[in-house]
Amino acid sequence: ETGVTQSPTHLIKTRGQQVTLRCSSQSGHNTVSWYQQALGQGPQFIFQYYREEENGRGNFPPRFSGLQFPNYSSELNVNALELDDSALYLCAWGRETSGNTIYFGEGSWLTVV
Amino acid sequence: DAKTTQPTSMDCAEGRAANLPCNHSTISGNEYVYWYRQIHSQGPQYIIHGLKNNETNEMASLIITEDRKSSTLILPHATLRDTAVYYCIVRVVGNTGKLIFGQGTTLQVKP
Repeated sequence: ETGVTQSPTHLIKTRGQQVTLRCSSQSGHNTVSWYQQALGQGPQFIFQYYREEENGRGNFPPRFSGLQFPNYSSELNVNALELDDSALYLCAWGRETSGNTIYFGEGSWLTVV
Repeated sequence: DAKTTQPTSMDCAEGRAANLPCNHSTISGNEYVYWYRQIHSQGPQYIIHGLKNNETNEMASLIITEDRKSSTLILPHATLRDTAVYYCIVRVVGNTGKLIFGQGTTLQVKP
């Protein structure tokens, strides 16, 4: 039990649409990061937020954006969906201390048709 | 790119110890070694992490070589439920969120 919850667990969207994925954690976790995992691949870092500001970004276009809220929740927004955006989206929470553990949620499966 | 190298796959007999190697020859002094595993279609599960000393918890042991260029994750008594993809990751201290995953090792525990 990681205390990290994600919603929805599965969803289907049409190419060109927009999607919002949500994630929440227990108190005390002040950083959140999002990952994209295509079928058969390892998770790829999208970005991270610390104290509600973006604090690092991977090789993803600006149509991937996020928010972190004071109540230990976060959103990942993807605009203008493409077929290649079909993947498992994972969020992970941690606390910014040396050698801290990061805990993942179970993910949201997004299918773009 | 991932800074670790792992074998693509390994088999282990149920009840025996599973020893999963990882090479991280370019590790820096401020980087920890983390192990996660991912069972099909689930989120990655934290197993253990260490800096330079060997570590043990209820799930596994982590053995880090003295020069820190490689490590081994040991599952002392593997069960069928340990069948998963195991990821070895090096992570910079203070960079809380970013984990760079490689392809991992697919461990198949067989009866």
